[in-house]
Amino acid sequence: GESVGLHLPTLSVQEGDNSIINCAYSNSASDYFIWYKQESGKGPQFIIDIRSNMDKRQGQRVTVLLNKTVKHLSLQIAATQPGDSAVYFCAEKGGGATNKLIFGTGTLLAVQP
Amino acid sequence: EAGVTQSPTHLIKTRGQQATLRCSPISGHTSVYWYQQALGLGLQFLLWYDEGEERNRGNFPPRFSGRQFPNYSSELNVNALELEDSALYLCASSLSGLRMETQYFGPGTRLLVL
Repeated sequence: GESVGLHLPTLSVQEGDNSIINCAYSNSASDYFIWYKQESGKGPQFIIDIRSNMDKRQGQRVTVLLNKTVKHLSLQIAATQPGDSAVYFCAEKGGGATNKLIFGTGTLLAVQP
Repeated sequence: EAGVTQSPTHLIKTRGQQATLRCSPISGHTSVYWYQQALGLGLQFLLWYDEGEERNRGNFPPRFSGRQFPNYSSELNVNALELEDSALYLCASSLSGLRMETQYFGPGTRLLVL
């Protein structure tokens, strides 16, 4: 498959700290990127998206940065809360006619109270 | 506004049987996507339906099939079940088939093949 996941990277932060979750994407032709949050036993929940003609986009407590030169995406969460604990996935939409999303392996964010 | 809904929430089958999973998109959405989330393998794209037509399929064998109904709901069928088909099957919908439309996911159907 195109998404390979072996060991889930884990980011452990203290409540109130800022979190930065990184993602390397695979296709230089990808033009749309989405961050999803998945809590245990639930489906992925949309957080924020960004198009390839932008390098930064802000939402409520979240910021996504896109560096097309090195094919890197990051999600910054300000003032991390216990409710932010989840697995975070980046997803890219590649070029061509398909609308399929290609997902990264995911990062487990553990917020310590 | 109701989100994407899926049924059943859990499904237990034995090898060789068939499974049918159902999805209702967000009201007004015409595109439906199916993904498989197997343990340790992340989310993998299965199928995309838009306006009743199959638009794209992922690298899965033909025993994975589906359809989209006139009301835009969708069904995923898995024939001749194998043990490795055990996974969480996620349905997503988007407003249209345009490229920059966000996909919103349902809670999934957890399929266990014994």
